[in-house]
Amino acid sequence: QVQLVQSGAEVKKPGASVKVSCKASGDTFTRYRIHWMRQAPGQRLEWMGWVNPANGYTQYSQNFQGRVTITRDISATTAYMDLSSLGPEDTSIYYCARDCGAAGAPKNCFEPWGQGTLVTVSS
Amino acid sequence: DIQLTQSPSFLSASVGDRVIITCRASEAINSNLAWYQKEPGKAPKLLIYTASTLQSGVPSRFSGSGSGTEFSLTIGSLHPEDFATYYCQQFNVYPLTFGGGTKVEIK
Repeated sequence: QVQLVQSGAEVKKPGASVKVSCKASGDTFTRYRIHWMRQAPGQRLEWMGWVNPANGYTQYSQNFQGRVTITRDISATTAYMDLSSLGPEDTSIYYCARDCGAAGAPKNCFEPWGQGTLVTVSS
Repeated sequence: DIQLTQSPSFLSASVGDRVIITCRASEAINSNLAWYQKEPGKAPKLLIYTASTLQSGVPSRFSGSGSGTEFSLTIGSLHPEDFATYYCQQFNVYPLTFGGGTKVEIK
């Protein structure tokens, strides 16, 4: 049974960057894409992008205008989401999730999810 | 981006009630829709994908239907643990998008 465990809460100042980690255990890390989403207070969930851990290929939402970078470390079975040029509007809970289909046949739906990481941007 | 509109955004129901939540897409998305359940303070949980396929381990009282632009999630008989917020999500085109959520509360 795979589990995704995310890093702890962060507080950042406007203009800074944040890097959130997502460690996978219990299954073959390279077999499934890892996606990142976020949810700001009172807002709907927003998809940010994915990484294919087998080869490092990525796909990003254009809504982040190049501010997001998703990487992975195979030896650490960990995916990372880096978001730059933070503003107060980036205050959200950030989630990683595994694709519900294997990398050879991805479905772009999500299960399971990490527990979430609160990122607060405030001066 | 494809917009997903859920209705209602809030509903009050009793244990044992049958509940139907709808999700309308701004353009056709075939059957590329998933449904999630989210409880406060917890991560979302996948219930249904490809519009009507029940995720492994999810109770059979949950069912999904629809294709194109109109979809629905039905809870056949509400259990106490079903009081939560439900989201639809399309995976037909990038960017992947979510509906605004339907909060199911106890009457």
